[in-house]
Amino acid sequence: QVRLVESGGGVVQPGTSLRLSCAASGFTFSQYGMHWVRQAPGKGLEAVAILSYDGNTKSYIDSVKGRFTISRDNSKNTLYLQMNSLRPDDTAVYYCAKGYYDSGSWGQGTLVTVSS
Amino acid sequence: EVLMTQSPLFLPVTLGQPASISCTSSQSLVDSDGKTWLSWFHQRPGQSPRRLIYQLFYRDSGVPDRFSGSGSGTDFTLHISRVEAEDVGIYFCMQGLFWPKTFGQGTKLEIK
Repeated sequence: QVRLVESGGGVVQPGTSLRLSCAASGFTFSQYGMHWVRQAPGKGLEAVAILSYDGNTKSYIDSVKGRFTISRDNSKNTLYLQMNSLRPDDTAVYYCAKGYYDSGSWGQGTLVTVSS
Repeated sequence: EVLMTQSPLFLPVTLGQPASISCTSSQSLVDSDGKTWLSWFHQRPGQSPRRLIYQLFYRDSGVPDRFSGSGSGTDFTLHISRVEAEDVGIYFCMQGLFWPKTFGQGTKLEIK
């Protein structure tokens, strides 16, 4: 069955960088768009970045444009989120999710804490 | 950005009784092929969201048939025919037609 496993979260200082990974299995990864959704502690859900199946089309929410980069390696069945210039309001659990218009399966999430 | 508005935000329900959650979008979620890109999710504390319903009314695999989705255009409803103890948690609607995908605020269901 579909499995998505995020990794790379941690506690970092403001202004630093982090790269999240999402290892996918149980489906043909190269045929699906993917996206990242975050959830700040005790808050709702916010889709952050989305990437087409071939990596050619990507979009971001305004608050992360120019700081975050979504990418994928279809040979490794892995989705990435490079996060630069991190801010305290980026603190959240980050989930990767399968699909472009849909969000069919989600990983367990990885916690990113930005604090001095 | 498409605004998704859920009600109620808090839903106490007696076991075995029905429940429903409403979700309204600020734009129609129907695409040019007639598909409606509205999904419902359930999230338990400490867990990731699990999708229950997609494209308005299709149930995901393994989701009990007491869950159903209805609506059209901009007004949607999640129905639970008979609430069970395992249904507690937060329910979110989500639109996937427009970027960014946007979610409702969440409805917390608890057992009375």
